[in-house]
Amino acid sequence: GAVVSQHPSRVICKSGTSVKIECRSLDFQATTMFWYRQFPKQSLMLMATSNEGSKATYEQGVEKDKFLINHASLTLSTLTVTSAHPEDSSFYICSAREAGRSGGETQYFGPGTRLLVL
Amino acid sequence: SQQGEEDPQALSIQEGENATMNCSYKTSINNLQWYRQNSGRGLVHLILIRSNEREKHSGRLRVTLDTSKKSSSLLITASRAADTATYFCARGSGNEKLTFGTGTRLTIIP
Repeated sequence: GAVVSQHPSRVICKSGTSVKIECRSLDFQATTMFWYRQFPKQSLMLMATSNEGSKATYEQGVEKDKFLINHASLTLSTLTVTSAHPEDSSFYICSAREAGRSGGETQYFGPGTRLLVL
Repeated sequence: SQQGEEDPQALSIQEGENATMNCSYKTSINNLQWYRQNSGRGLVHLILIRSNEREKHSGRLRVTLDTSKKSSSLLITASRAADTATYFCARGSGNEKLTFGTGTRLTIIP
């Protein structure tokens, strides 16, 4: 149980284009999903917290107009990197917390999306 | 930095030996979690220890927590080649967010 998928797993795009990454909880409902960014051999940095039916909460230094987050249902959150530039190239990982589960502090992670902007 | 520090940054041991990784943090916690990441992949949750717990076991894993020293350790016993990965500790502070440490890259030599 508690499987989270991401799509696509890998994307290469031209500078200036927008890229949408999907994060789905496959066998549970997630009121809260998180988006992280990870540079090579570094730790995960939280970008934003995505709540179903409300606006995402962004961490300090993360541009909300650059990284658009939509959490339209209890099983899907999307991250759109708008007007992508080479410096946006990174590994993007989502995670989800199970809704209503007692003691549900555990986050279940997707497999990640590697974005390369040329 | 709000991140925890992990020690060592990298560790190489022979298969069958025990591996110990340490995590230190600066602010108060609600819980501390350990995750594993294989190269280029997502994270796998290993174990969660709450602030009122001192030790927890799961299979070959043993986690300790010392809140007075603001530190935790992860012990992997009888290591296997498949344990090769990067291990992260993550602080849970009660507001749903996790703050990840810098990670320990563990290599098990067959």
